[in-house]
Amino acid sequence: SAVISQKPSRDICQRGTSLTIQCQVDSQVTMMFWYRQQPGQSLTLIATANQGSEATYESGFVIDKFPISRPNLTFSTLTVSNMSPEDSSIYLCSVRTAPNEQFFGPGTRLTVL
Amino acid sequence: EDQVTQSPEALRLQEGESSSLNCSYTVSGLRGLFWYRQDPGKGPEFLFTLYSAGEEKEKERLKATLTKKESFLHITAPKPEDSATYLCAVRMHASGGSYIPTFGRGTSLIVHP
Repeated sequence: SAVISQKPSRDICQRGTSLTIQCQVDSQVTMMFWYRQQPGQSLTLIATANQGSEATYESGFVIDKFPISRPNLTFSTLTVSNMSPEDSSIYLCSVRTAPNEQFFGPGTRLTVL
Repeated sequence: EDQVTQSPEALRLQEGESSSLNCSYTVSGLRGLFWYRQDPGKGPEFLFTLYSAGEEKEKERLKATLTKKESFLHITAPKPEDSATYLCAVRMHASGGSYIPTFGRGTSLIVHP
């Protein structure tokens, strides 16, 4: 298993600002992911955070809006840029460990006013 | 069209009243079906992985089964602490060779004492 922490746990932000969410894992993992969970919706994958290279974004998500860093095998950040109320959501960090189990962090609840 | 459909959306049970949650999928090339439990304000907690039809996994009052088109999460004699949202996800081959899970919207379970 993996223990994942996220900071901040929640935040209220003003429209047009940016927020960086941090994800820390207690062990080295190859694959880290960022998800969004909007009320009443399923988890939606934003991107796969690759160590040493650019993140791989899913359809509908772009690097300018959601820049991601992955400086090492235990840490990643997701920035939500130029926020609007539509970005209000829970953002979740996730990791995949052997044997192919996927674990999630506690989430960051973002409210954009 | 959703590839992963969970039913019912919400379920209310009395303590001790056994029931089942359903997860049906339409993807081809299944590479794993996952069940998670999510408590309010928290990230999903991994429960089970199923890989092939006929496979079953058990954990306390929960038992997950898999067929070629659906999975069931059976809850035997539930207790109020089993109240949570239960998420199903299926993993299939995606572009680039990685396996990306697709999540259903979840079933919200409430168990009354």
